Amino acid sequence: SQQGEEDPQALSIQEGENATMNCSYKTSINNLQWYRQNSGRGLVHLILIRSNEREKHSGRLRVTLDTSKKSSSLLITASRAADTASYFCATDRAGANNLFFGTGTRLTVIP
Amino acid sequence: DGGITQSPKYLFRKEGQNVTLSCEQNLNHDAMYWYRQDPGQGLRLIYYSQIVNDFQKGDIAEGYSVSREKKESFPLTVTSAQKNPTAFYLCASGIARELFFGEGSRLTVL
Repeated sequence: SQQGEEDPQALSIQEGENATMNCSYKTSINNLQWYRQNSGRGLVHLILIRSNEREKHSGRLRVTLDTSKKSSSLLITASRAADTASYFCATDRAGANNLFFGTGTRLTVIP
Repeated sequence: DGGITQSPKYLFRKEGQNVTLSCEQNLNHDAMYWYRQDPGQGLRLIYYSQIVNDFQKGDIAEGYSVSREKKESFPLTVTSAQKNPTAFYLCASGIARELFFGEGSRLTVL
């Protein structure tokens, strides 16, 4: 099945810096979601942005959505070592019964 | 506390054996899902169920079977027909397409 693509695949930054990861997709969507996965654990929902929204904030997270470019970005500000995890975008496509997950960005925040 | 419980966390199987992974939720969600995750990869959908006594194949259903006899439970059986079953299996339940995941079951075939 067609999945979203996250970019970059891996990102390493110093604590306190901002982290930006991107997601591109191929078909029309109802909404796009971001999830976080700590190593060897389940995924945790972070934020959902609907197709008619352009930007959304939640704490240190900022998500943007550009439906004309079929892309989204997740910005984590003032990163902490505890933010080290893999981050996945998931698209809720029109007419589909389930979410489609990307391949993830592995973020490492160095203390 | 409400949530999703997967068991066992680790499972070892000999080739040719069937194994069943348990998934229980007390979130009162109608929809439940099984995903497979391989190292460094995203999630691939195995099966999903939107209501009791009904389920649908996902992208990689071959070699797997499920049942949904109760709203709370969605067990996954990995059969001997699954050619490469070693993987991390994640169960989720959802409402309005927001998914809540269990902690996963890691299956290793010896």
